[in-house]
Amino acid sequence: DTEVTQTPKHLVMGMTNKKSLKCEQHMGHRAMYWYKQKAKKPPELMFVYSYEKLSINESVPSRFSPECPNSSLLNLHLHALQPEDSALYLCASSQDTGLTYNEQFFGPGTRLTVL
Amino acid sequence: QQPVQSPQAVILREGEDAVINCSSSKALYSVHWYRQKHGEAPVFLMILLKGGEQKGHEKISASFNEKKQQSSLYLTASQLSYSGTYFCGTSAFGNEKLTFGTGTRLTIIP
Repeated sequence: DTEVTQTPKHLVMGMTNKKSLKCEQHMGHRAMYWYKQKAKKPPELMFVYSYEKLSINESVPSRFSPECPNSSLLNLHLHALQPEDSALYLCASSQDTGLTYNEQFFGPGTRLTVL
Repeated sequence: QQPVQSPQAVILREGEDAVINCSSSKALYSVHWYRQKHGEAPVFLMILLKGGEQKGHEKISASFNEKKQQSSLYLTASQLSYSGTYFCGTSAFGNEKLTFGTGTRLTIIP
């Protein structure tokens, strides 16, 4: 299984809602990532988890809260988002965190709209 | 700082060749190339490591010149399936972080 799955595929939420995005991989990868991608722009790194521990937070606002319950799962909890947070949220995984050598496998993403 | 790709966009006829360039202001240890089709996830193409190596993958190949801090992706005899946005991603040695370039939108027409 060389797939990264993400749910839901689409999400519409109000600014006062709390929701979560889910990402799963069964490739035995020990590094997992959250990216945010706006239309016609490259993916922007948000968080990196290495061996289930948060290793990089790219100064992401606290209304985004990542969680890695186990080595296969990655969640992104959303609370009090702003309309400018509307974007495609991509999850990725790699064998290890040394990206010098390791390719990243991306999930299909969650298209988030904040009203 | 984000690597800069050129051209920003290019339209080719099926069978023509394309070159996409990626330039960084920082010293690089590796360069990744990904292709993203509209509404889909980025898909890995190849990694090039410091050492000026060149890699090939059927009709898609790439080179990496670490002195110039540049990489180029070569697509020969392009097919309709090559359409999409190409991103380079750069990392320093042992780095957990990949910084994606500005992107090049490639459209192949029959």
